[in-house]
Amino acid sequence: DTAVSQTPKYLVTQMGNDKSIKCEQNLGHDTMYWYKQDSKKFLKIMFSYNNKELIINETVPNRFSPKSPDKAHLNLHINSLELGDSAVYFCASSQAAYRNEQFFGPGTRLTVL
Amino acid sequence: AQSVSQHNHHVILSEAASLELGCNYSYGGTVNLFWYVQYPGQHLQLLLKYFSGDPLVKGIKGFEAEFIKSKFSFNLRKPSVQWSDTAEYFCAGFYGNNRLAFGKGNQVVVIP
Repeated sequence: DTAVSQTPKYLVTQMGNDKSIKCEQNLGHDTMYWYKQDSKKFLKIMFSYNNKELIINETVPNRFSPKSPDKAHLNLHINSLELGDSAVYFCASSQAAYRNEQFFGPGTRLTVL
Repeated sequence: AQSVSQHNHHVILSEAASLELGCNYSYGGTVNLFWYVQYPGQHLQLLLKYFSGDPLVKGIKGFEAEFIKSKFSFNLRKPSVQWSDTAEYFCAGFYGNNRLAFGKGNQVVVIP
């Protein structure tokens, strides 16, 4: 009965590789998000989708590409991974886009070697 | 810039001590504020939220927070902490319509 789930939980890869992280929510929410938490635990929004449409696209390298096949799923694909991409990536969802409480997934710890 | 700031990043205290974590926000307009907790190795969980109404908000696990508009503050309190309260605590607030800005967090360690 997990509300927001992410796979994989851990991802270790070499520089230059391409990888994807998947997120699914079973809360029936319309809006989903990707956040990056750096080594100092600082959390920053990366992207947000509302009903499969991109509504937030912060200053993120274009190596990062989100994809939302339906409103219950939001995947994050990262091309040409760099050392600085190492972080914990959290997916979240909310019932609607406007100022709603956000529910977070368990996180994916990405380590780029 | 619109932001949320937290102070005293590292807090160490003994069980049964009282805890207060400060949070200040710097933007005007409609204010929606949150406190999230992240236990070691886990995801963020909502402790409490303020949207409107009573400025003293009760949350889960005995936490409360008070919204003081004149001070632009939303401080988190717990009268008596337990070892299980060891975690990272994040204050967050909306700016714009749906951008949630987080503070840098408070790492709280409770010594048994």
